[in-house]
Amino acid sequence: NAGVMQNPRHLVRRRGQEARLRCSPMKGHSHVYWYRQLPEEGLKFMVYLQKENIIDESGMPKERFSAEFPKEGPSILRIQQVVRGDSAAYFCASSPPFGNEQFFGPGTRLTVL
Amino acid sequence: GQQLNQSPQSMFIQEGEDVSMNCTSSSIFNTWLWYKQDPGEGPVLLIALYKAGELTSNGRLTAQFGITRKDSFLNISASIPSDVGIYFCAGHQQNYGGSQGNLIFGKGTKLSVKP
Repeated sequence: NAGVMQNPRHLVRRRGQEARLRCSPMKGHSHVYWYRQLPEEGLKFMVYLQKENIIDESGMPKERFSAEFPKEGPSILRIQQVVRGDSAAYFCASSPPFGNEQFFGPGTRLTVL
Repeated sequence: GQQLNQSPQSMFIQEGEDVSMNCTSSSIFNTWLWYKQDPGEGPVLLIALYKAGELTSNGRLTAQFGITRKDSFLNISASIPSDVGIYFCAGHQQNYGGSQGNLIFGKGTKLSVKP
């Protein structure tokens, strides 16, 4: 039973480029969450999605960041025109319907040059 | 945004010692979760707590949901070298009519081996 999958594990972008991070939830999980972690910090919530719906995006910057979880395929976190401050580890978690426990993927480490 | 106050920030352990760490908040939480994160990896769920006063064990780990719903502690008994890592507390405050929604995380307690 595969866990939460994220790819790529490492992503390097130059300032101004776009970054696309993918997340496949655990089998049977329909809720996906994205978090960002800076070095020596805890995880900070960004966005909560269900299939084809954004439930809560209160933690996501209004500009340059977007997220989707289509009916088919993985959830995508998209960062347009990346800046150095976007360098961080981005984690995806999933939970089953009506579930309280969130299970995390291995993360994508984004480095902006 | 709100964060949980987690302490200590770091601690050194000797094999066989018991370890204790805690998390506090100024507001009420509906659930408390404890995670462990190894370098370069995602957090792994250790224990989940759902009711005030609940005490739950998972092997050598024991965690409690405080009566006031504003705190939680995690104990590790008879520590072993593989316990080294960063431990995070996390909790839910919001309820989206079934699912609890986003987690709020503490800054972590880093466990290292005594030199």
